[in-house]
Amino acid sequence: GEDVEQSLFLSVREGDSSVINCTYTDSSSTYLYWYKQEPGAGLQLLTYIFSNMDMKQDQRLTVLLNKKDKHLSLRIADTQTGDSAIYFCAERAYSSASKIIFGSGTRLSIRP
Amino acid sequence: GAVVSQHPSRVICKSGTSVKIECRSLDFQATTMFWYRQFPKQSLMLMATSNEGSKATYEQGVEKDKFLINHASLTLSTLTVTSAHPEDSSFYICSARYDGNEQFFGPGTRLTVL
Repeated sequence: GEDVEQSLFLSVREGDSSVINCTYTDSSSTYLYWYKQEPGAGLQLLTYIFSNMDMKQDQRLTVLLNKKDKHLSLRIADTQTGDSAIYFCAERAYSSASKIIFGSGTRLSIRP
Repeated sequence: GAVVSQHPSRVICKSGTSVKIECRSLDFQATTMFWYRQFPKQSLMLMATSNEGSKATYEQGVEKDKFLINHASLTLSTLTVTSAHPEDSSFYICSARYDGNEQFFGPGTRLTVL
């Protein structure tokens, strides 16, 4: 079966780096995603990584994938107040008919 | 990037009435559309997957007679919540995918059933 887990909350000082972690169980995962959701809004795709990659960097965002441990992380450098949101980790796997399965989401709050 | 719209963005209805939510892909043809529901402070739960011209595939525990999905064209899918009750109040989000890896999400529709 498929399961994606994340910690529920993260608090970071403005200007520091934020690291949001995620674990998944389905070894047939092909793509792993990070989505951002601001209050009352839909989901914005931030980045995604293919399962044969270890790392992907896109400006302030760095995604690390440890396929052996089924662990995914999202690092946001120089965290700003506009980064406050809920961040969802998600996977897409052959075993689940290529549906996207979401984690519970991590609420990132920024303190001055 | 590809844009998916939803209408209405908010709807309030009385218990027992039916509500229709539209999901449109504005600048691409979506071979597959997905409907999710999100309770407050919770994750997105997939309700059903629909392919244009065929019946939707519902996830376990989702009543297909209560949540009617129609995907009549490559740019439009509708979700009708029939005989809505207060426990159906939720945030409903659709997404659309063409023959690619990305799934584009709509802005969501907040349904409140009184």
